[in-house]
Amino acid sequence: GAGVSQTPSNKVTEKGKYVELRCDPISGHTALYWYRQSLGQGPEFLIYFQGTGAADDSGLPNDRFFAVRPEGSVSTLKIQRTERGDSAVYLCASSQSSQVGPQHFGDGTRLSIL
Amino acid sequence: DAKTTQPNSMESNEEEPVHLPCNHSTISGTDYIHWYRQLPSQGPEYVIHGLTSNVNNRMASLAIAEDRKSSTLILHRATLRDAAVYYCILRDQGGSEKLVFGKGTKLTVNP
Repeated sequence: GAGVSQTPSNKVTEKGKYVELRCDPISGHTALYWYRQSLGQGPEFLIYFQGTGAADDSGLPNDRFFAVRPEGSVSTLKIQRTERGDSAVYLCASSQSSQVGPQHFGDGTRLSIL
Repeated sequence: DAKTTQPNSMESNEEEPVHLPCNHSTISGTDYIHWYRQLPSQGPEYVIHGLTSNVNNRMASLAIAEDRKSSTLILHRATLRDAAVYYCILRDQGGSEKLVFGKGTKLTVNP
């Protein structure tokens, strides 16, 4: 299928380490979003890209979190000096950049910080 | 983004209709009503959206109250695969692209 692909599906690492999470959006979708979801909660917005630029990064919790989308397609979410509280499912979505159009989600990366 | 209120959980029997309510008393004139659902261990999935008129698609129907302060997602014949958390979300036509999720309604479908 040509859905949103996220890798890895699971990531376990130690506190203090650096992690990168990858998202391959649907081909041709110019808008890309990152969310994270803690157990029992709805997804929480992190950052939104329109093309290569971050149009809204108001959801990034602190400066340990950073995301890039250098060619306007694949995006990488980077977390430095990980903490146990960063453990969550990180979800990526893409859309055709309509403000009322649907967002298409991947199945997420489950990040566990030991 | 305006807030929505949904019941924490609902139960249904297989092959029966399900009506999932959502209250959004502070909705503005430019807010669209969106519904997503999330099956276990999967990302959210778009279901349907509307502005004022009732909407139908292959997955569900959306009934919007005349004053737009509430809406109902209707699954016409529930199947076991419809067991999921259903989220009702308001999106301003001219506002942010982001989706603001609440806790949603966990739907259990009994065989």
